[in-house]
Amino acid sequence: AQKITQTQPGMFVQEKEAVTLDCTYDTSDPSYGLFWYKQPSSGEMIFLIYQGSYDQQNATEGRYSLNFQKARKSANLVISASQLGDSAMYFCAMRDSGGSQGNLIFGKGTKLSVKP
Amino acid sequence: KAGVTQTPRYLIKTRGQQVTLSCSPISGHRSVSWYQQTPGQGLQFLFEYFSETQRNKGNFPGRFSGRQFSNSRSEMNVSTLELGDSALYLCASSLDTPPLNGYTFGSGTRLTVV
Repeated sequence: AQKITQTQPGMFVQEKEAVTLDCTYDTSDPSYGLFWYKQPSSGEMIFLIYQGSYDQQNATEGRYSLNFQKARKSANLVISASQLGDSAMYFCAMRDSGGSQGNLIFGKGTKLSVKP
Repeated sequence: KAGVTQTPRYLIKTRGQQVTLSCSPISGHRSVSWYQQTPGQGLQFLFEYFSETQRNKGNFPGRFSGRQFSNSRSEMNVSTLELGDSALYLCASSLDTPPLNGYTFGSGTRLTVV
């Protein structure tokens, strides 16, 4: 069965520093997609970045980059130059495989706190 | 353009009652999915609709049901509410299914069952 593991329940980072949030995944499907979402206290899930299993390069979106290590089955999110507004829950997710299924499987999340 | 709209934002219901939550997807999106988020279980997939047809269903009891209308708006219904149904219910939409680039989520409906 597919699974997403986020081992860091909470993280602290100083404002303007970089931080890495860990995510490992388990799947036997050669084709899959990995996502990172941010959830502030308001509840909305905000899409940050996407990595396809066949993508040759690591995905980047502004201050967000994904450190994709396929052999190790890890997809860590790197946030550069942290801002106070980055304080939120961060979820790693994988698109479920199996034909037409399109639902996402989420990890338990990491709560990031940015200190001024 | 308008995002995914969920109504109501907050809801308090009594055990045994039923509830209906609404989700309006981004214009042009035909796929709508529902997720339940609780502190204990995290984010769990409920069901997915595409062009008015249920495409996929998570592991939830039959008290949880949904439907999608011809304009892609979706509703989910929970009958005979239990205390454990208290959760944030998130709706997400995408252009296609399976979503090649993920879903756009709404702000959720926070349901409290007392």
